[in-house]
Amino acid sequence: DAKTTQPPSMDCAEGRAANLPCNHSTISGNEYVYWYRQIHSQGPQYIIHGLKNNETNEMASLIITEDRKSSTLILPHATLRDTAVYYCIVREGKTSYDKVIFGPGTSLSVIP
Amino acid sequence: NAGVMQNPRHLVRRRGQEARLRCSPMKGHSHVYWYRQLPEEGLKFMVYLQKENIIDESGMPKERFSAEFPKEGPSILRIQQVVRGDSAAYFCASSPLGGLRETQYFGPGTRLLVL
Repeated sequence: DAKTTQPPSMDCAEGRAANLPCNHSTISGNEYVYWYRQIHSQGPQYIIHGLKNNETNEMASLIITEDRKSSTLILPHATLRDTAVYYCIVREGKTSYDKVIFGPGTSLSVIP
Repeated sequence: NAGVMQNPRHLVRRRGQEARLRCSPMKGHSHVYWYRQLPEEGLKFMVYLQKENIIDESGMPKERFSAEFPKEGPSILRIQQVVRGDSAAYFCASSPLGGLRETQYFGPGTRLLVL
């Protein structure tokens, strides 16, 4: 089972920031938070990941709370192309290998 | 640098036939993962392979499904005697290493339809 909780759906106006929350209250110290998205009928796309510090790349920013029990993915200026299902994932804690456990994610609709 | 490649992108089979799905990882990646997405459902892990080795097949159905990643060539997911319930999108992902720090990059998927 997924170790994260996300709202099932969200709307965001085009051009505004999209803030997608994720709860991961049982995260352990060596587990990373990853975000992927899946645009309809395409393969999942990696967005960003982090351990405890906030991270930013060309796609998004990731804000992780100090206690690491929740995080927020921020798309600073949402476009229609950002409409997708967004998955917040905590990587399983095996040191030699792992698999990505996908939950149902948040379906983000960017509205013109 | 080409991404993960999967072929065919669409595959139609009749019940009882065999389906072979191919995945070529990104250049330099030696770890391959297969996931299945049933219609209107999320992605489910199936199997994790390194070159010539199956590391974790805990998500693979016990019968009819097999996977390999030979020393040369693509990874193959093989489904024997397909049934309608096998209709799904099958995604392959690759990473250079298999650890927590390694991001998995996904291919475009193969959509299998069993008639």
